[in-house]
Amino acid sequence: AQKVTQAQTEISVVEKEDVTLDCVYETRDTTYYLFWYKQPPSGELVFLIRRNSFDEQNEISGRYSWNFQKSTSSFNFTITASQVVDSAVYFCALSEHTGTASKLTFGTGTRLQVTL
Amino acid sequence: GAGVSQSPSNKVTEKGKDVELRCDPISGHTALYWYRQSLGQGLEFLIYFQGNSAPDKSGLPSDRFSAERTGGSVSTLTIQRTQQEDSAVYLCASSARQGNSLDQPQHFGDGTRLSIL
Repeated sequence: AQKVTQAQTEISVVEKEDVTLDCVYETRDTTYYLFWYKQPPSGELVFLIRRNSFDEQNEISGRYSWNFQKSTSSFNFTITASQVVDSAVYFCALSEHTGTASKLTFGTGTRLQVTL
Repeated sequence: GAGVSQSPSNKVTEKGKDVELRCDPISGHTALYWYRQSLGQGLEFLIYFQGNSAPDKSGLPSDRFSAERTGGSVSTLTIQRTQQEDSAVYLCASSARQGNSLDQPQHFGDGTRLSIL
């Protein structure tokens, strides 16, 4: 069975600090996708990034960056110079293929609190 | 609207009643998913639709749960004889074509917060 582990339940940082959210996954698939979603206090899940298993290049988008390391089955997410608006629960997810379906297996989430 | 729309946003009902939750996916998205988010359980997959058919219902927790999708668009999730443990936020997501293009991002609605008294 597939599994996603986000060991950090809650992280608190002061604004402008850098913070890294960890994600470790388990899968038997050779082709898979990894995702990060943000869930702010308002509740909606916002898609941040999708990465396929064949692409290990790190990606940067503004203050966000992602480090995918297949050798350690990790897909970590770093926010540089954090801001109060980054406060949210962040979910890492892994796609699972069951024949014709592709459903997401989510980690339990990391709650990030950014304070002034 | 441009996003996934769910209704109602909140639903409070008495134990034993039936409830219907509605999801209107992003126009043109053929894949539709239902998830449940509850305290202590995280986000759980319930059911997946490709068009009007449901190839994967493996996440439905009991036979009190059912879902349908008509016209390849709107979906309803029905919970019969609700129990207190059904209290959760029910999230709907949609994505573009599956098939050879697997794993298009799933875009989520705001969810329906269901409270069973």
